[in-house]
Amino acid sequence: DAGITQSPRHKVTETGTPVTLRCHQTENHRYMYWYRQDPGHGLRLIHYSYGVKDTDKGEVSDGYSVSRSKTEDFLLTLESATSSQTSVYFCAITETGRNTEAFFGQGTRLTVV
Amino acid sequence: RKEVEQDPGPFNVPEGATVAFNCTYSNSASQSFFWYRQDCRKEPKLLMSVYSSGNEDGRFTAQLNRASQYISLLIRDSKLSDSATYLCVVNSGGYQKVTFGIGTKLQVIP
Repeated sequence: DAGITQSPRHKVTETGTPVTLRCHQTENHRYMYWYRQDPGHGLRLIHYSYGVKDTDKGEVSDGYSVSRSKTEDFLLTLESATSSQTSVYFCAITETGRNTEAFFGQGTRLTVV
Repeated sequence: RKEVEQDPGPFNVPEGATVAFNCTYSNSASQSFFWYRQDCRKEPKLLMSVYSSGNEDGRFTAQLNRASQYISLLIRDSKLSDSATYLCVVNSGGYQKVTFGIGTKLQVIP
């Protein structure tokens, strides 16, 4: 299995609080991604990174920010959590940006109450 | 129309049966295609890429029909361990342009 870990694995937080999810990889892959998965929807891209300090928005980026200060770490921050952000969050990595296998972390189940 | 459409199922099939899933995509410029498998409450994992000429991996066969814009996955001799959700994934250029289907749930019954 690819070396990719997410933390925390489960979190319950209150509306309005900031939350940071961490993705850590040991594969030295250049590309990292944050997705959310909700019933009735496929995985939807929140933000992605194509290098240290290089990030861009995905399909559902509103209310989220990211940072990548090291190759191995990609942080997702919910600035002020809302109930609509209750979801399962997956981090993924790819070696290149095209046509390659994505490796996913085990997911973080976030509940905003 | 959604970019990638899958029948969410569930498909309930007996052990040993053959089952096929289709996935349609709307962007004719799509370049690469994949099937991922996701077990309950787990992360998705690549099952197989889908090539224009079709490809086979053991009991699994994937095919691409560009004219009709769909890909298919055929599973022969279904095993209990095949029970999972199968995600269709379409890439229209660069990984930021990857679209995941909602997945088709397969339940193989003893």
